[in-house]
Amino acid sequence: AQTVTQSQPEMSVQEAETVTLSCTYDTSENNYYLFWYKQPPSRQMILVIRQEAYKQQNATENRFSVNFQKAAKSFSLKISDSQLGDTAMYFCAFMTPSGGGADGLTFGKGTHLIIQP
Amino acid sequence: GAVVSQHPSWVICKSGTSVKIECRSLDFQATTMFWYRQFPKQSLMLMATSNEGSKATYEQGVEKDKFLINHASLTLSTLTVTSAHPEDSSFYICSAGRGQGIGSPLHFGNGTRLTVT
Repeated sequence: AQTVTQSQPEMSVQEAETVTLSCTYDTSENNYYLFWYKQPPSRQMILVIRQEAYKQQNATENRFSVNFQKAAKSFSLKISDSQLGDTAMYFCAFMTPSGGGADGLTFGKGTHLIIQP
Repeated sequence: GAVVSQHPSWVICKSGTSVKIECRSLDFQATTMFWYRQFPKQSLMLMATSNEGSKATYEQGVEKDKFLINHASLTLSTLTVTSAHPEDSSFYICSAGRGQGIGSPLHFGNGTRLTVT
């Protein structure tokens, strides 16, 4: 079974600062996918970024980037120039492909990120 | 715009009654949908995988007779909480994969808040 660990229950930074959220996972699989999801107070799950394990290049989406260290099973999220709208719960998630379709996600416990004005 | 619609967004029911929650993929076909449960201030836990035209696959510890899943078409999956009790009160979220599934971003519904009195 796969496990996902987020060791920071809550983080708080000033607006415009850079913040890094940590995530580690445990799996015996070699092919898998990693995601970061954002859940604002509305509780809508929003995909922030995803990474395929077979790709060595770290994924980047505008202000969001990841540091994917496959050997260390680490997948941290860096948010640059943080904005008030980034305040939310952030979940790290893991998925292994199964058969011809998608598999369910295994989520970490989440990090509550607070951006202070 | 939303690509996965979930209905109702909230429901209050009396103990012993059954409640049905719908999850629809709006502009794509989803052979596989997923149902999650989220308790307050906790992470999402995968309950079951809904497969179009076949039986759902339940995660360990989830009662299949309690949480009935029907995936009758390529765009609709339903979760029925049967004989609901107060401990079933939770936030239920569905998701569906867009595209071929493997590694494709999973889009989430807005969730359903169930309160059993």
